Amino acid sequence: DTAVSQTPKYLVTQMGNDKSIKCEQNLGHDTMYWYKQDSKKFLKIMFSYNNKELIINETVPNRFSPKSPDKAHLNLHINSLELGDSAVYFCASSQGAGVPEEQYFGPGTRLTVT
Amino acid sequence: DAKTTQPTSMDCAEGRAANLPCNHSTISGNEYVYWYRQIHSQGPQYIIHGLKNNETNEMASLIITEDRKSSTLILPHATLRDTAVYYCIVRVASGAGSYQLTFGKGTKLSVIP
Repeated sequence: DTAVSQTPKYLVTQMGNDKSIKCEQNLGHDTMYWYKQDSKKFLKIMFSYNNKELIINETVPNRFSPKSPDKAHLNLHINSLELGDSAVYFCASSQGAGVPEEQYFGPGTRLTVT
Repeated sequence: DAKTTQPTSMDCAEGRAANLPCNHSTISGNEYVYWYRQIHSQGPQYIIHGLKNNETNEMASLIITEDRKSSTLILPHATLRDTAVYYCIVRVASGAGSYQLTFGKGTKLSVIP
């Protein structure tokens, strides 16, 4: 069984469109994350949710809106897509904070904005 | 979180031990050392973490110097499937900054047949 899954794997869309990426984890974890890996391969945190509540919101444009309907899901909605949004987006999950534990990453969603 | 310094790239012969160094001279007493790797086009994968003592699991060993200013990840018998970018990360275990991982540039390890 896949621990952290993302859909779609590839997403090609035009500037100005609105799109969503979905993430699901079946590990029973309390915390989920979105990371962005740009063309230079730098991997940066975007958001972190703990028990459906936002705990980290790095300097991300407000066109990006994460939504967590339940503990197992963290979706990323992007409005008015721009060329610079092209990247690979990774979802991750972990048991929580307070103890050192690993994060489990999904396979990534490659977003291409044309 | 403390900053880390790693070599940009390294080569290792298949079957030999791969020793990947990491410098974290500004590490604080409550910060752990984590290692992740990213095989081409895949999501990062957790390898190991430690605080003070050396650690070993089925994937690798982590050697942390006594002053904790540097560490070495050891893959005892590297295979071609270990070719990846390896990231050394330090972060606190709880409180502010404990949730996110701050990835640097990592070390590109190439295992050569």
